[in-house]
Amino acid sequence: DAGVIQSPRHEVTEMGQEVTLRCKPISGHNSLFWYRQTMMRGLELLIYFNNNVPIDDSGMPEDRFSAKMPNASFSTLKIQPSEPRDSAVYFCASSLGSGGYNEQFFGPGTRLTVL
Amino acid sequence: AQTVTQSQPEMSVQEAETVTLSCTYDTSESNYYLFWYKQPPSRQMILVIRQEAYKQQNATENRFSVNFQKAAKSFSLKISDSQLGDTAMYFCAFKPSGTYKYIFGTGTRLKVLA
Repeated sequence: DAGVIQSPRHEVTEMGQEVTLRCKPISGHNSLFWYRQTMMRGLELLIYFNNNVPIDDSGMPEDRFSAKMPNASFSTLKIQPSEPRDSAVYFCASSLGSGGYNEQFFGPGTRLTVL
Repeated sequence: AQTVTQSQPEMSVQEAETVTLSCTYDTSESNYYLFWYKQPPSRQMILVIRQEAYKQQNATENRFSVNFQKAAKSFSLKISDSQLGDTAMYFCAFKPSGTYKYIFGTGTRLKVLA
């Protein structure tokens, strides 16, 4: 298996633009997570999907952020409009089940820079 | 609130030596899981080792082992025979049983010196 795939690896955009980050989880995994990593706040869980349904979006910072999972093999995280403070590395992770001992497999991340 | 503390922001070790990274956590839960993840310069987070709280025996994965002290709420990672490829950021994480949410520490940056 290729692991969790994220695209793009790097994104540079200007303030006010729409940004879409993409994720393909590992085939067969039914749980998907979006994280944001910054120096100041570390790793933060943004949203959690189980069987394509958003279960917990309490970590989404504001209405400018939205996430979708239209099917088991694809998810997007959209920021509209983007702001410089959104600059961070965004990770997608997937797991088989979500409770207990289940390992979360992380993608390589998308480094977002908003100018 | 449940918290994970990694008190060593940076550490270094000579190649082939042994190093221990510390992690403490605060929880009132009795059943939970603990993890160490490695984040090399490539950025991708990789699971190093994990421990179930109800198991007294310390987990071991090749050169990596943990010292789990439940009463002290401590979960340190020992890396034996350090290799240059061990250079990375190491994150300790806690997950209560039956939940999906990891609580990550702030990380320890480890540099292995040749």
